[in-house]
Amino acid sequence: DAGVIQSPRHEVTEMGQEVTLRCKPISGHDYLFWYRQTMMRGLELLIYFNNNVPIDDSGMPEDRFSAKMPNASFSTLKIQPSEPRDSAVYFCASRHSTNEKLFFGSGTQLSVL
Amino acid sequence: GEDVEQSLFLSVREGDSSVINCTYTDSSSTYLYWYKQEPGAGLQLLTYIFSNMDMKQDQRLTVLLNKKDKHLSLRIADTQTGDSAIYFCAEMDGTGTALIFGKGTTLSVSS
Repeated sequence: DAGVIQSPRHEVTEMGQEVTLRCKPISGHDYLFWYRQTMMRGLELLIYFNNNVPIDDSGMPEDRFSAKMPNASFSTLKIQPSEPRDSAVYFCASRHSTNEKLFFGSGTQLSVL
Repeated sequence: GEDVEQSLFLSVREGDSSVINCTYTDSSSTYLYWYKQEPGAGLQLLTYIFSNMDMKQDQRLTVLLNKKDKHLSLRIADTQTGDSAIYFCAEMDGTGTALIFGKGTTLSVSS
């Protein structure tokens, strides 16, 4: 398996623009997680899905952030409008409900100017 | 709520042992993990331990768990320059679903 695949690897945008981050989980995994990594706050859980259904979005910072999982092999995290304080590395991760191991993608480095 | 604490930096010489420490708050955590992050990369699962164990060894890695004190440690024997990275401790949350991470310990290995 190719592992968790995220795109793009790097995104540079201007304040106010819409940003869409993409994730393809490992095939067969029924949990998908979005994390954000910053120097100040470390790794924060934003939202997670189980069988494509959002279960806990309490980590989503504000209404500018939204996430969807239209099918078992694809998820998006959207920021609209983006702000400089959203600059961070965004990670997607997946696991199977019967396995305790969580696998991460390579992340998207987002810079909002 | 759950919280994971770890020291931010550790510096060792090549060939020495490294010990990275972590404390966690949720006594009901079933699994505890160590992840490694190299520059510009994602998090790679190094090892994990079930909460009913107190030690796990995997080649150069030894994990010690003191459940009474909620203390987890990772020992790397014969540390190499390639071990230089950020090491994250994590606990599984109370629902048994998501992982809660510490802020990471940056390990610097000098030759």
